[in-house]
Amino acid sequence: AQSVTQPDIHITVSEGASLELRCNYSYGATPYLFWYVQSPGQGLQLLLKYFSGDTLVQGIKGFEAEFKRSQSSFNLRKPSVHWSDAAEYFCAVYTGGFKTIFGAGTRLFVKA
Amino acid sequence: GAGVSQSPSNKVTEKGKDVELRCDPISGHTALYWYRQRLGQGLEFLIYFQGNSAPDKSGLPSDRFSAERTGESVSTLTIQRTQQEDSAVYLCASSLERVAELSYNEQFFGPGTRLTVL
Repeated sequence: AQSVTQPDIHITVSEGASLELRCNYSYGATPYLFWYVQSPGQGLQLLLKYFSGDTLVQGIKGFEAEFKRSQSSFNLRKPSVHWSDAAEYFCAVYTGGFKTIFGAGTRLFVKA
Repeated sequence: GAGVSQSPSNKVTEKGKDVELRCDPISGHTALYWYRQRLGQGLEFLIYFQGNSAPDKSGLPSDRFSAERTGESVSTLTIQRTQQEDSAVYLCASSLERVAELSYNEQFFGPGTRLTVL
């Protein structure tokens, strides 16, 4: 069955430090992969997406993600975290039709 | 040019009461989705509308849940005889029409309605 796993429920990083949020998926075909961010009281906002081609994708707000088929992973990275990046991050896979499967989310805390 | 809006933003109700949640999609978006987000969990698909096609209700957890959409505009999600396990954030999203099986149009999410059932 298709699934998305985000192993880290929450992560704390210092402002200015680098960030990597992990995502593993289970899907038989080539997936469409996404990262969304949800700030408190806000809906989800799309950070970036991977459909095909270059496995390193750039998104908004300085985020990037790398698709690794051999590891079934799509980890999100940012070289230098800002306090405003504190939010919840969701990895998702689109399996065709209209269904998008979301991971349980990783809450990012940023300390000064 | 406004985004997806939802109302109310918060709803507290007593067990057994009915509640109605509203979603106003982005103008021109023919596809509309409802999701449930329980505390500490990912988004759980509930129902999908596209244009005048019959909605896909396969994600609705019980017959206490129903949703309607008038044309390509407002949608309401109704939960009858609410239970404490219905407490969650209910998110609505809209997108342009999906034109092919594997085509994907970005979903734009509303801020959600936080439902608390006492």
